Amino acid sequence: EVQLLESGGGLIQPGGSLRLSCAASGFTFSSYAMNWLRQAPGKGLEWVSGITSTSGNTYYVDSVKGRFTISRDNSENRLYMQMNSLRAEDTAVYYCAKASGSGTYYFPFDSWGQGTLVTVSS
Amino acid sequence: DIQMTQSPSSLSASVGDRVTITCRASQSISSHLNWYQQKPGKAPKLLIYAVSSLQSGVPSRFSGSGSGTDLTLTISSLQPEDFATYYCQQSYISPFTFGPGTKVDIK
Repeated sequence: EVQLLESGGGLIQPGGSLRLSCAASGFTFSSYAMNWLRQAPGKGLEWVSGITSTSGNTYYVDSVKGRFTISRDNSENRLYMQMNSLRAEDTAVYYCAKASGSGTYYFPFDSWGQGTLVTVSS
Repeated sequence: DIQMTQSPSSLSASVGDRVTITCRASQSISSHLNWYQQKPGKAPKLLIYAVSSLQSGVPSRFSGSGSGTDLTLTISSLQPEDFATYYCQQSYISPFTFGPGTKVDIK
């Protein structure tokens, strides 16, 4: 059974930094692209970033480019998101999601974690 | 960016009803259209991928159809556990955008 467990969320002041982590199990982590998505309170879903299975390529939504960095450690079966210069509009539940293939393009998100809440507020 | 729209934004239906949700993309997405179900406080769940392929374990009352930029999710006979919000999503061009969601509640 695929399991994805996010951690690292919390309350942070504007301009601060957080590092999210996602521990994966139940599948061959190194064979699949991974993604971060978010959902602001009461709002819809937004894809934030994706990384291919071998970390060869990374992708970001424009609103986080230059502030967020996605990475992965295939030896530890972990996905990360370093979030810098956080803004109030980054407040959301952040989900880790597995793609159904090795690339970020074309493949749907077939497994999701339970999410971790990031609140950016002074 | 590719804009995804959905209609209706919400609907009320009864158990046993046939429900249809429409999704429209602002440009061609070449069959890379997926549907997700989300219940309150829970993570989304993949229902349909590549327009019409049923994800493993998803009941056959869910189906997807359409072509080009106009896609449809149909629930043939609504069950109590189907009351949720449904999102379409394109996986063709980054950023991989979602529709605003359609909330299905009990009439």
